[in-house]
Amino acid sequence: EAGVTQFPSHSVIEKGQTVTLRCDPISGHDNLYWYRRVMGKEIKFLLHFVKESKQDESGMPNNRFLAERTGGTYSTLKVQPAELEDSGVYFCASSPYRDFGEQFFGPGTRLTVL
Amino acid sequence: GQQLNQSPQSMFIQEGEDVSMNCTSSSIFNTWLWYKQDPGEGPVLLIALYKAGELTSNGRLTAQFGITRKDSFLNISASIPSDVGIYFCAGQLRAGNMLTFGGGTRLMVKP
Repeated sequence: EAGVTQFPSHSVIEKGQTVTLRCDPISGHDNLYWYRRVMGKEIKFLLHFVKESKQDESGMPNNRFLAERTGGTYSTLKVQPAELEDSGVYFCASSPYRDFGEQFFGPGTRLTVL
Repeated sequence: GQQLNQSPQSMFIQEGEDVSMNCTSSSIFNTWLWYKQDPGEGPVLLIALYKAGELTSNGRLTAQFGITRKDSFLNISASIPSDVGIYFCAGQLRAGNMLTFGGGTRLMVKP
């Protein structure tokens, strides 16, 4: 069974540009989560989808971040316009159903904003 | 928001030694998870704990869910070079909800 995949693995952009990250969860997993780790800090929650609905978006830092999960399969996280402080590693995780505690992580997308 | 204090931040040990790390929180969690991250990879789940007082093993790894539900520890016995990496604890208020992560423990093993 394929794990969580993320694309791209690395992205280097300039301040003010737009970047879109993609996450494909494990097939059949209803829950999809986005996290990020900014340099030297802990991994922090951004938001949680259950199928195509946003269950919890309390971790989204501001309105420059837009997450979607149309059709309840893959998800995209768009940053527009990117700022220097958005640099970090963005992780996606999935879990099979609502009350399942364990989350399975993808390899992450390393975003560098210059 | 909730914060997890994970210690130590880093450890440099000799191969064959045992390792212990822990996480403490000012508030209760109902699930504790331990992950390991290798360079360039995402966190990989090692152990999940669902009951206060629970002690669970996975090979040379043993983790416990503190009785107060505010702490957890992870022990690695007889460390080997492939144990190198960053270990994260994570707490969860309710199964399926967001994870709150500790700052990580970077483990280095000298052959």
